[in-house]
Amino acid sequence: KNEVEQSPQNLTAQEGEFITINCSYSVGISALHWLQQHPGGGIVSLFMLSSGKKKHGRLIATINIQEKHSSLHITASHPRDSAVYICAVGSYNTDKLIFGTGTRLQVFP
Amino acid sequence: EAGVAQSPRYKIIEKRQSVAFWCNPISGHATLYWYQQILGQGPKLLIQFQNNGVVDDSQLPKDRFSAERLKGVDSTLKIQPAKLEDSAVYLCASSLGTRVETQYFGPGTRLLVL
Repeated sequence: KNEVEQSPQNLTAQEGEFITINCSYSVGISALHWLQQHPGGGIVSLFMLSSGKKKHGRLIATINIQEKHSSLHITASHPRDSAVYICAVGSYNTDKLIFGTGTRLQVFP
Repeated sequence: EAGVAQSPRYKIIEKRQSVAFWCNPISGHATLYWYQQILGQGPKLLIQFQNNGVVDDSQLPKDRFSAERLKGVDSTLKIQPAKLEDSAVYLCASSLGTRVETQYFGPGTRLLVL
């Protein structure tokens, strides 16, 4: 079993829909990261959080430390949101990032 | 603020050839990371530098991969000789300090080994 699990693996949506991507982890963490990767390969950091909730534009990230679970929400989705979204946790013990395998999102007009 | 720069963006080589990738981290960032991301998987850490010293290279296939960070700024990652299974995106990232924090990623180099 992977230490970081994401669901779903693939997600398609119509423009305007509300989207949720989930991440569960099994290790002690210092922080959790949500990353966005476009087809060209480059990765952009969206959020780093260790508790509660953060919001940036149409993106919202939440984390529940007790349940070892985080969600990334996209409100009013747009085709330009199409990308792979990766959850990564900073391991408290090893101080390394452990990556999930990503959720591929496609938003159609 | 300039981001992490990588070159080339794409490279196609035949197996057994050599290839080198270059990374220029964000100015002032002490920590530099090289990741390998095979299609459909999350990135895997190959090597981590703290200034010009190696912090972790436990997952670097040292028989064919090498990396250096002379003067603690730019870094190069080399594969010699390449194998088919080395086809992947090679990501460089940098961060300000030593603890896990927001890492800034470069655009990546997509390598295809034929």
